Amino acid sequence: DSGVTQTPKHLITATGQRVTLRCSPRSGDLSVYWYQQSLDQGLQFLIQYYNGEERAKGNILERFSAQQFPDLHSELNLSSLELGDSALYFCASSPRLSTDTQYFGPGTRLTVL
Amino acid sequence: GNSVTQMEGPVTLSEEAFLTINCTYTATGYPSLFWYVQYPGEGLQLLLKATKADDKGSNKGFEATYRKETTSFHLEKGSVQVSDSAVYFCALVMKGSNDYKLSFGAGTTVTVRA
Repeated sequence: DSGVTQTPKHLITATGQRVTLRCSPRSGDLSVYWYQQSLDQGLQFLIQYYNGEERAKGNILERFSAQQFPDLHSELNLSSLELGDSALYFCASSPRLSTDTQYFGPGTRLTVL
Repeated sequence: GNSVTQMEGPVTLSEEAFLTINCTYTATGYPSLFWYVQYPGEGLQLLLKATKADDKGSNKGFEATYRKETTSFHLEKGSVQVSDSAVYFCALVMKGSNDYKLSFGAGTTVTVRA
């Protein structure tokens, strides 16, 4: 158990809908990363937050957004969902900006029908 | 940009066989290198890491050595077990970067048969 929690574990929804994925980092970790794992794209970095502020963006679609709250949990919002958004979404956390090791949650499997 | 290339799978082995998964990287600078493992139906777990040239990371009988001259970080285990069946990802982080994001290889699926 990494100490990173993600809810829900599974999510099934329809095209055009909006969903919110939640992540709680390890106790004391300030940095949160979101990654997408899909069959065709592999594991890709989406976005990073540090202590409530957006720090870096990767291959994140404009339909996707995220935020980190004062209690350091983070949410990834996916809207206008398409079939191709079906994937496993991972959250990872690390203590500080300059820490190279990240600890991953169990992931949320999103299925868009 | 920074990238990781790892050997294509799937790899199928018998128990007690020797496992090696090749990983090479391209980076502008000196990254930290990682192997993560994903067991069936689970998330990613850090298996081992190395932060500078000639460092050897080891864990659970797995080893990998950071080779700057060949830009490689090959994963090895001398005697695999059925419980080692998983997907293995090689990854890097650029130290001193703005974000410390992980760049992953495509993953190698390993199946160990009894």
